[in-house]
Amino acid sequence: GIQVEQSPPDLILQEGANSTLRCNFSDSVNNLQWFHQNPWGQLINLFYIPSGTKQNGRLSATTVATERYSLLYISSSQTTDSGVYFCAVAIFPGTASKLTFGTGTRLQVTL
Amino acid sequence: GAVVSQHPSWVICKSGTSVKIECRSLDFQATTMFWYRQFPKQSLMLMATSNEGSKATYEQGVEKDKFLINHASLTLSTLTVTSAHPEDSSFYICSAPMKGKDTEAFFGQGTRLTVV
Repeated sequence: GIQVEQSPPDLILQEGANSTLRCNFSDSVNNLQWFHQNPWGQLINLFYIPSGTKQNGRLSATTVATERYSLLYISSSQTTDSGVYFCAVAIFPGTASKLTFGTGTRLQVTL
Repeated sequence: GAVVSQHPSWVICKSGTSVKIECRSLDFQATTMFWYRQFPKQSLMLMATSNEGSKATYEQGVEKDKFLINHASLTLSTLTVTSAHPEDSSFYICSAPMKGKDTEAFFGQGTRLTVV
C-alpha cells in the first residue's frame, strides 16, 4: 500500500516562531488533506489540497503532486497550535475520501 | 455545513460486553462512511468502509465478526464492538464525504472506548 511519511516526528517551538511540516507519499494521489488533532482527539480540517497552494490565516500549504510531497507552513506559532498534525492521502485511482494517514508531527509550542 | 457527529464521545464498558458507536451526518447525506481506529501515540488506521444499503468492506486484518457495521440510512452508520476486550480500547473516529461529492472527508469528534 501507499506509504505516507511525515517529518519531523516531533517539534518544539517557542511562541512566535515559524515552522514547516513535510508530508511525503509514495504513490499517485487524488486527495491530500491536512489535519490538526487537538488534545481531545478531534480532527480539525486544515486544508483540502490535492495540488497547488492555499492559505488560511497563519497557515498555508503547498502540494506538489508530481513530486509526491506536501508542506504545511505555520507562521507566528501560538500555544493553541500545539497538538498533532496529520496529512492524509487517497490513492489514485480510487475513492478520494478514503484516506491513508501519515505518521504525524507532534508540535509543542511553548511560551 | 458538512457536520459529522459521533455518539458517545467516550464510553467505558466491561470486558465481554458489546458497545455501539453512532456516526451521523447532520446536514448532508452520505452513502459511504469510513471508520478509523487510533491507538495511543499512533496514527489513524482505516478499519472499514460503510456502505448504505450493502455490506461493509473491511480492511485486511480487521475482524468483521468483531466490528459489526450497519449503514442504516443515508445519515447514520453504526459500529458495534462485540465481546469487547481490553485490547479493543482505542479511539474510534468516523468520516463521511458528501453524497455525490467524493472529495474532502469530514470527521466526527471521535469516541474513546475503554474496556475494563
